[in-house]
Amino acid sequence: QVHLAQSGPEMKKPGASVTVSCVTSGYTFSSYTLHWVRQAPGQGLEWLGWMNTYNYNKNCARKFQDRLVLTVDPSTATAYMKLTGLSHDDTAVYFCARESVGTTDMNYWGQGTPVVVSS
Amino acid sequence: DIQMTQSPSSLSASVGDTVTINCRASQGIRSDLAWYQQKPGKAPRRLIYSASHLADAVPSRFSGSGSGTQFSLTITSLQPEDFATYYCLQHHGHPPDFSFGQGTKLEIK
Repeated sequence: QVHLAQSGPEMKKPGASVTVSCVTSGYTFSSYTLHWVRQAPGQGLEWLGWMNTYNYNKNCARKFQDRLVLTVDPSTATAYMKLTGLSHDDTAVYFCARESVGTTDMNYWGQGTPVVVSS
Repeated sequence: DIQMTQSPSSLSASVGDTVTINCRASQGIRSDLAWYQQKPGKAPRRLIYSASHLADAVPSRFSGSGSGTQFSLTITSLQPEDFATYYCLQHHGHPPDFSFGQGTKLEIK
């Protein structure tokens, strides 16, 4: 079955960078786009960006274009999200999510990675 | 960028009630809309895709409707496990752009 396993909690200082990994299994890695979504404490869901795991095209929300780096390692079926220039507003749970079959929404999600930015 | 306006932001209802949650897109998105349910500390779960199609293993008391700019999620005969937060997601365009509604917290009365 499809499974997305994310890396563990992170604590970072303002100005630092954080990298979250998402190890996938149960399907052909290059067949589905992977997304990143975050949720600040007590807030709603916020889409960050996606990466096509076949041709490595990517797209991200306008507000993250200067700070978000999406990469994949097909040899280990792993996706990575790096967010630079962290501020307290980046404190959130970060999710990876896989594209659905037949539509471009997401229907498989990782468990979430808490990232705390604190001085 | 396409903005999604979701209403209401919170809703109080009783077991057995029927509730409706709405999403309005800032421009037409055809049927490129999904609905998700999220419980505290958990990842979202897809309920509806392509505006009106029930996702796998989702009870038939959930239904979606709409196209273009106006969409609705209706839950009939509310069950205790339905009390959660619900989000719409638009995924329109080539390549698609994505944005969530602000969420609706469904609480037990």
